[in-house]
Amino acid sequence: KNEVEQSPQNLTAQEGEFITINCSYSVGISALHWLQQHPGGGIVSLFMLSSGKKKHGRLIATINIQEKHSSLHITASHPRDSAVYICAVRRLLISSGSARQLTFGSGTQLTVLP
Amino acid sequence: DTAVSQTPKYLVTQMGNDKSIKCEQNLGHDTMYWYKQDSKKFLKIMFSYNNKELIINETVPNRFSPKSPDKAHLNLHINSLELGDSAVYFCASSQGTGGGETQYFGPGTRLLVL
Repeated sequence: KNEVEQSPQNLTAQEGEFITINCSYSVGISALHWLQQHPGGGIVSLFMLSSGKKKHGRLIATINIQEKHSSLHITASHPRDSAVYICAVRRLLISSGSARQLTFGSGTQLTVLP
Repeated sequence: DTAVSQTPKYLVTQMGNDKSIKCEQNLGHDTMYWYKQDSKKFLKIMFSYNNKELIINETVPNRFSPKSPDKAHLNLHINSLELGDSAVYFCASSQGTGGGETQYFGPGTRLLVL
C-alpha cells in the first residue's frame, strides 16, 4: 500500500462544477504539496502547506494533520483545469536524510468538459 | 526566462548505451532533484543534492549517477541503458535543504530505450 493515496483516480466534471480531490497519507509529515501536471507533461507546484488552508485564485487546499488528510478544491471549474493533480508529502523522519525527499501519490486525472 | 531547464527534451537510444541528461536552474536554489515518472504517471524521487549532501533513493540502480559541476547544474548520467529505464525524467530545484520548500520542476526529458 502506498504511503500516499489519492482519490478519485479519474474525475470528469462539467464546466462550472465544484471539484474536490482527496489525499490521505499514512506517515508523519512536515509538509504536503499539491502539483499540477499539464497534458503536455510539465509540472507546476500549486501549493505547499503544513497546516490549515491556502487559497490561490479558484484553487483552495486544506490539510488536517490529525486526520492525515488533505483536499484540493477547484471552484467554477474550466476545461483548462484539465490535468493530473498530484499530492506529495515530505516525510518527517528525524534520523534519515530521506526526510528531505517527497513521496508522491499516483495522481488524479481531471477532465473538465465544456 | 526558464527557471529550470532540461536537455534534451526527447532521447531515443538503444539498450546498452550510456547517456546523460542535463539540468540547469537559474533560481539560485541550493537543492536539486531528479525524479522518474513511469508509464503509469507515478513520480518517484531518484536523488536530491545540495552542495553538502547527496541523498540517493536506495531503489535506484547504481547505473544512474548524478553529477553536479556547480550549484546551478545537476546532470543525470545513465550507464548501460535498459528497456525499463524508459520513462520521463524530471529535474527540480528548491531553496534550502529541508522542510517544506516549494519545488520548481523542469519540463521533463522523455527517454525511450529500444
